[in-house]
Amino acid sequence: DIQMTQSLSTLSASIGDRVTITCRASQNISHWLAWYQQEPGKVPKLLIYKASILEIGVPSRFSGSGSGTDFTLTINSLQPEDFATYYCHQYENYPKSFGQGTKVEI
Amino acid sequence: EVQLVESGGDLVQPGGSLRLSCVTSGFTFNDNVMTWVRQAPGKGLEWISAIKSKTDTAYYADSVKGRFTMSKDKSKGTVYLQMNSLRVEDTARYYCVKGLSSTGASWGQGTLVTVSS
Repeated sequence: DIQMTQSLSTLSASIGDRVTITCRASQNISHWLAWYQQEPGKVPKLLIYKASILEIGVPSRFSGSGSGTDFTLTINSLQPEDFATYYCHQYENYPKSFGQGTKVEI
Repeated sequence: EVQLVESGGDLVQPGGSLRLSCVTSGFTFNDNVMTWVRQAPGKGLEWISAIKSKTDTAYYADSVKGRFTMSKDKSKGTVYLQMNSLRVEDTARYYCVKGLSSTGASWGQGTLVTVSS
C-alpha cells in the first residue's frame, strides 16, 4: 500500500505570506495526486488534481507541482480564508490514501 | 445540482453492525466512482472504500477489509456501506464522495457513527 507523508502537521503563517506544503509518497505515483482543503467544521474541498491542475473555481493563488514521489502545494499571498487544513491524496492505485494533513494557522 | 445524502449513522456497541446509505442525484450515477471517506473526531481524512462505475468491484482499506462491504443499487442511485464487527476506532463521520480524485468531486455532509459501550 502507498503511504503519504506530509512533513509538517502545523504551519504558522501570516496574511500575504507565500506558503509551501509538501507531500511525499512511499512509491512512484506519477502525477496521480490531489490536494484538498478543509476549513473547520466544513466538508473537504478539492483544490488540485493530477498534481497541478486547478479545480474550477479555485483561486489562482493556489498551485501544485511535482511528480513521482515528491509534491508541493503553494499558496501565494495567503488570505484569511486560507487558514485551514490541507490534505494530499494519492489515487495511483487501490487502496487510495490521504496524507495526515497540514494545518495552516496564524 | 449534485446531491449526496448520507444516513444510517448511530451509536452502536463494539462488535455491532450498521448499514450506511448514500442517496445521490443530479449526475449520471453509473459514470462515477463512488467512495466512502471517514474522519474520526479531531483527526484527518481516511479513505476506506470505493466502488467502480462500470462494475461492482469494490476496494477497501486494510483497516476495514473483511468487516465492511460497499455496494450500490444503480436503479436507486444509492451506495451502501455495511459495517460489521465495529470497533471503537471506527468512530467517525462517514462521507460519501462522488469522483474523489477528479474535477467536479462532490461530498455529502456525512453521517456520524459512534462505537461505544
